[in-house]
Amino acid sequence: GENVEQHPSTLSVQEGDSAVIKCTYSDSASNYFPWYKQELGKGPQLIIDIRSNVGEKKDQRIAVTLNKTAKHFSLHITETQPEDSAVYFCAARTGTASKLTFGTGTRLQVTL
Amino acid sequence: DTAVSQTPKYLVTQMGNDKSIKCEQNLGHDTMYWYKQDSKKFLKIMFSYNNKELIINETVPNRFSPKSPDKAHLNLHINSLELGDSAVYFCASSQMTGNTEAFFGQGTRLTVV
Repeated sequence: GENVEQHPSTLSVQEGDSAVIKCTYSDSASNYFPWYKQELGKGPQLIIDIRSNVGEKKDQRIAVTLNKTAKHFSLHITETQPEDSAVYFCAARTGTASKLTFGTGTRLQVTL
Repeated sequence: DTAVSQTPKYLVTQMGNDKSIKCEQNLGHDTMYWYKQDSKKFLKIMFSYNNKELIINETVPNRFSPKSPDKAHLNLHINSLELGDSAVYFCASSQMTGNTEAFFGQGTRLTVV
């Protein structure tokens, strides 16, 4: 089955700096890669996703890149703000299978 | 309007008891899931139902029994609760085709004492 690794497990940046979180996946048939943000006491919420026919996608301060050959994808947050502090999860889904396999999460702390 | 709602939000119970968590989605999705999040924040799928049919059943003790009366509801019943069952349980839903996102509920924090 699919295995998703995520690094780093914790990340502390100063407000205004950029943050990068990286994930690798094992199943070359995976074709959908969402990123979720989980705030304290809440459920994960989708912030951006990318499909395997696209190499990069951007939405305001958030961007995701996908390298299918190397089987890795990354989340980039620019101009970080205190409200970006949360746990971020990457995930991968294979074909028409409905199962999302999640990475182990990254706790991002944005300090003033 | 809450898209995926689960009840209760908190559940504290003694070892050996039987408890249920309910989930409902109003998004018209055909697929629903239960995920377990442990104390280290690992999110692991337990079950998935598509149009009331079980399609994913990960290695979960058979004390856990999901039930889907219709495609908008997926409940989780747990028998003979153990200390290790303490976790946050998330319900989610998505559309099976088209690789669309999964929407998560707010979670149920289960504490077994």
